[in-house]
Amino acid sequence: AQSVTQLDSHVSVSEGTPVLLRCNYSSSYSPSLFWYVQHPNKGLQLLLKYTSAATLVKGINGFEAEFKKSETSFHLTKPSAHMSDAAEYFCVVSDSGGYQKVTFGTGTKLQVIP
Amino acid sequence: ETGVTQTPRHLVMGMTNKKSLKCEQHLGHNAMYWYKQSAKKPLELMFVYNFKEQTENNSVPSRFSPECPNSSHLFLHLHTLQPEDSALYLCASSQDSWGTSGGANEQFFGPGTRLTVL
Repeated sequence: AQSVTQLDSHVSVSEGTPVLLRCNYSSSYSPSLFWYVQHPNKGLQLLLKYTSAATLVKGINGFEAEFKKSETSFHLTKPSAHMSDAAEYFCVVSDSGGYQKVTFGTGTKLQVIP
Repeated sequence: ETGVTQTPRHLVMGMTNKKSLKCEQHLGHNAMYWYKQSAKKPLELMFVYNFKEQTENNSVPSRFSPECPNSSHLFLHLHTLQPEDSALYLCASSQDSWGTSGGANEQFFGPGTRLTVL
């Protein structure tokens, strides 16, 4: 069985300050982990993906995430928030290999204050 | 703009209407998905098609009927819906639903259809 928990439903940061969106997962197998972003009235867009290669994954728009197996975490970070980062972010886990079952987190809404 | 398109973008229907949602992907993928996104709920997977065959029906009521005539097109036929079915319906595609030794395949999403049932 697999599950994913996004620890914050809302995060508010000032423009130019760091962003941290937290995600914990559980998986019976070696997981693949993803972060997606959804801007208002849009579909989901892939930010980055971890699939058992480097534990520090760099994505688009300056985001990165670190896979920490000992902590079962995959937190999303960005050094400096931009107004255009305001959106909802979803952490996703999928058991790798064989038929893949995908589980989405409940989402974190990021507010960026000017 | 992603390689997955959905029409219509907005739909308002009465409970006795029949309507269909359409999804098309231009990415050469072999798996397609329907998701329901309601306010304050996690994204819910509804159906999965892999190489045109339905591989998952996540206990979806029969008033939702999917159709996948080929790997590029996916439909969701709607009949006698309830107000609680109002939501954003998202379509996605991926290379296939099995992944590789390198890990799971990422999904590419369309913009969604905002459905309101009166």
